This record gives sequence, structure tokens and C-alpha cells, in this order.
Amino acid sequence: AQSVTQPDIHITVSEGASLELRCNYSYGATPYLFWYVQSPGQGLQLLLKYFSGDTLVQGIKGFEAEFKRSQSSFNLRKPSVHWSDAAEYFCAVGAFSSASKIIFGSGTRLSIRP
Amino acid sequence: GAVVSQHPSRVICKSGTSVKIECRSLDFQATTMFWYRQFPKQSLMLMATSNEGSKATYEQGVEKDKFLINHASLTLSTLTVTSAHPEDSSFYICSARDMGVGRTGELFFGEGSRLTVL
Repeated sequence: AQSVTQPDIHITVSEGASLELRCNYSYGATPYLFWYVQSPGQGLQLLLKYFSGDTLVQGIKGFEAEFKRSQSSFNLRKPSVHWSDAAEYFCAVGAFSSASKIIFGSGTRLSIRP
Repeated sequence: GAVVSQHPSRVICKSGTSVKIECRSLDFQATTMFWYRQFPKQSLMLMATSNEGSKATYEQGVEKDKFLINHASLTLSTLTVTSAHPEDSSFYICSARDMGVGRTGELFFGEGSRLTVL
């Protein structure tokens, strides 16, 4: 069965510090992996995605993620966070098919310490 | 880029009434759309997969008669919450994948619809 695990419910980092949000997945086929961000009361915005190619993918807002097949992980990173990065972050997995369901992790809430 | 529009963004209704939420793909055709529900401070729970021209596929535990889904065209899917009750209050989000030629299969989300049932 496919699943996504985000082990950290809430993370607080200082502004300017580096960030890593963890994501582990279980998927029976080649996974299509996503990271989304959601501000309070808002919809979701795609940060980045990975299906094939270079395992280090760059996204918007200075985020990047690295796909590690051996660890079934797709961790999100940012070298220096800004106060505006405070939000909820969701990792998701699916297949490269229009009918494929996308399953979301439970989310990690990021708070920024001034 | 591809856009998915959802309407209304907020709706308040009385218990027992029905509410319809629309989801439109604005610049691509979507044979499949997905409806999610999100409770406060929780993740997105897939409710159903909406299929153009055929019946929706519901996830286990989701009441088909409570949440009616109609995907009448390649750009429009609707979710109707029938006989709504306070426990149906939630944030409903639709999404669609742009699988067009040269596209990357990215899942685009609507802005979400916050339903409050009094």
C-alpha cells in the first residue's frame, strides 16, 4: 500500500537558519513525489516535484529536495529560511498517470523564530 | 501555468440543505479530478476520484450518497454535499493533473472551499 510519512509534526527554526523537512514514502511502483506548501486558510502551492532524472531537484522560493531511493526518502531543504516560510508543508506521492491518486503525508508545520 | 479554479471559496449553510462546489480546470483538460477534504490542522484526505463521463470512485469510508460528484465535462467537476450537517463542515479542495502533451503531470489545486454548516 502506498503511504507517506512525515515524522515531524512541528518544527521551529530561527530566521536565517537552514531547514530540512523529512519525508519517507512507501510505493509499489516508480514514485512521483511532490512537496506542497499551505498557508493558513489557503490552498496548496507546489514547491517542487520529482519523477526522474537528477535526484536533487530545485523548486520555488529557494527550496530543494533530494530523492534517495535506497532510503525511500524525499527530504525538503532550504539553506536559509525567511519568516514568510512559516506554513504547513506536505509531502505527497503518486504515479505518473492522470488517474493516479496522490497521497499526502500528515504535514509538518514550520514556525520561524525571529 | 495550468490553473484550477474552485467556487465558492466560502459557504455557510443551514443544516439539512445541500451545497454545490465547482472545480474548473481553466487552461487544460482534465479527464480526472480529485476531491480532498481537510480538517483543521490535519492533512488532506482523498475523498474521491472524479472521472469525466463516468461514475466517481470513492475512497473507503466516504458516503457516495452524501457527497455527490459529477464530472460532466473535461473542465468541470462538481461536489454536492447533500443534507449537510455540522460535521460536514470542513475545507474541501479539488485538484486536477495536467497530462497534456509536453506537460509534467503536476497536480494543480483549487483555492479550496470552506464549508460551514450551522
